Amino acid sequence: KAGVTQTPRYLIKTRGQQVTLSCSPISGHRSVSWYQQTPGQGLQFLFEYFSETQRNKGNFPGRFSGRQFSNSRSEMNVSTLELGDSALYLCASSLLPWGLGDTEAFFGQGTRLTVV
Amino acid sequence: AQTVTQSQPEMSVQEAETVTLSCTYDTSESDYYLFWYKQPPSRQMILVIRQEAYKQQNATENRFSVNFQKAAKSFSLKISDSQLGDAAMYFCAYRSLIQGAQKLVFGQGTRLTINP
Repeated sequence: KAGVTQTPRYLIKTRGQQVTLSCSPISGHRSVSWYQQTPGQGLQFLFEYFSETQRNKGNFPGRFSGRQFSNSRSEMNVSTLELGDSALYLCASSLLPWGLGDTEAFFGQGTRLTVV
Repeated sequence: AQTVTQSQPEMSVQEAETVTLSCTYDTSESDYYLFWYKQPPSRQMILVIRQEAYKQQNATENRFSVNFQKAAKSFSLKISDSQLGDAAMYFCAYRSLIQGAQKLVFGQGTRLTINP
């Protein structure tokens, strides 16, 4: 059974550009969450999607957005990139969102975004 | 808001020996989940062990066990018979059961080195 797949693995962008990251959950999993990992702030929750609906959102500016497709694949978008957006972006999938059942989250290997 | 604190940025242990990683958290909730995740150089977060707050018995997974002290809000991880493959960043995490707040809140992490 394939794990959580995040693409691309590495990305370099220029300030002011926008970027789209992709996450394909484990087959059958319908919930996807996104986290940002930086040396200074650690791991911070971005948002959670289930059945194409955003269920939960972290404290990030509106430049950070996401969506989920009918096949449960999710994308997150960051517009008007800033140097501080450089981070490892991790995606986690689970069978159900945590509010609907006790379920384990499985993480992907992340996308390393560098903003120059 | 809940916070998770890992006071040991780095720890090292000799192969085959035992090491304990510390974690404290702050919450006003009575029921929640606690986790230890491992992040090796591959960057993928791997669940090591989890504890439901309503269970008094400490969780155990093979060489990994926890010491859960609910009143003290402490959740330490003990690794017995340390192996070279245990070298990684270890993150303690909290998850609320409250609707809309069911995200993982992570500590800053402890880098564990295993000396051969």
